This record gives sequence, structure tokens and C-alpha cells, in this order.
Amino acid sequence: DTGVSQDPRHKITKRGQNVTFRCDPISEHNRLYWYRQTLGQGPEFLTYFQNEAQLEKSRLLSDRFSAERPKGSFSTLEIQRTEQGDSAMYLCASSPRESPYEQYFGPGTRLTVT
Amino acid sequence: KQEVTQIPAALSVPEGENLVLNCSFTDSAIYNLQWFRQDPGKGLTSLLLIQSSQREQTSGRLNASLDKSSGRSTLYIAASQPGDSATYLCANGDTGFQKLVFGTGTRLLVSP
Repeated sequence: DTGVSQDPRHKITKRGQNVTFRCDPISEHNRLYWYRQTLGQGPEFLTYFQNEAQLEKSRLLSDRFSAERPKGSFSTLEIQRTEQGDSAMYLCASSPRESPYEQYFGPGTRLTVT
Repeated sequence: KQEVTQIPAALSVPEGENLVLNCSFTDSAIYNLQWFRQDPGKGLTSLLLIQSSQREQTSGRLNASLDKSSGRSTLYIAASQPGDSATYLCANGDTGFQKLVFGTGTRLLVSP
């Protein structure tokens, strides 16, 4: 069990560019969550997948954001036309079927929009 | 809408002190309450999870309590060590999809 992995760990991009992040959950975890954390704040929920189905989206997830989990394994989070306000740490977590409340977090992807 | 508050925002103590971190939440209809540790620039590590039917959980030098009726949880750290320096976050799980609602955290610094 290698834990939740995220790639890249750091991303610097210019305003207006598109970026995509990847999350690989712990194998056989059927639930996957994305959170966003800005400096000095706690993480905020963005979206949730159960297997390949996206079951909940926060209103924080504007139409510039899209997330997928095509085969119920890894997930991608894409941000189109990035803005400086998108600068944050993007955290992914997964949880197993038998214990949905136990979320295991990845190291995060830190996005800086210049 | 659930709101989670943590007090104090920052805490600095000398090594060896016992300390208490506080977490309060506005909606008592929670499924569970978790405490996490976050080191600078890193992800979150779960420390303790208390189910809504439980009153407390213990792990080593850590003890977390939950009082749903008053909307409060505390994390007690005994005999603090410099390695305990980190940000501590509390979060509660909703009764639906188990998304976590986090507080803003307490930054702890333990000096040798």
C-alpha cells in the first residue's frame, strides 16, 4: 500500500493557462475526494466520486473546474483559464468502501498562478 | 451550513507542557469528528477519529473528546515534544457523502 499520490507536487503557471492535476488513490478505495486549501485556512471540499460517478460538487467548483475519474481508479482535476485566485494547495483523499469516513490524504499539489 | 472554529489560532509552548486545543462546530448533526496533523507544505495525517456515539479516543500522548450537545471537541496533548510542532486541524464528517468540513487550524510550536 503506497498511499495516495498526487502529481505534480508543484505547478507554476501564468494566468489564463490550463492546468491538470492527477490523483492516484489507495488501490481498491472506491471513494475519492478533492479539497482546496488556501494559506492559513483549512481544506475546503470541492468534489467527490464514488467509483467513477461524481456524486457531489461544491459551489466552489466553478465552470472553469472539471474533475473526472474515468475508470474508478485515478482522478484528474482540470482548471481552465487559471486566475490568481486559484493559487492554492489541491488535496486529494480516498477512503475504502467499508470505512467511508476514514479519508487518507495525498501530499497535495501546490498551484501558483502568476 | 456547518461552521467549524478552532481556538487558539496559534500556540507556543515549552517542551514538556500539557496542552489543549479546542474545536467548536455549529451543527451537532455530525457523523464523526476527526483531528488531523499537517506539517508545513504537506498533506494531512489523521490522528484520531471519534464516532458521534463515542465520547473520546486516545492514542499514545493524544486524547480527543467530543461533546455533541455543546458542539465542542478538544485535543489534549500530554508532555509535548518539539516533534509535535505542526498545524492541527479538526474536521467533522457530514451524514451524507462523508465530506469533511474543516476548521482553520491551530499552529503549534513546541520549543526545546
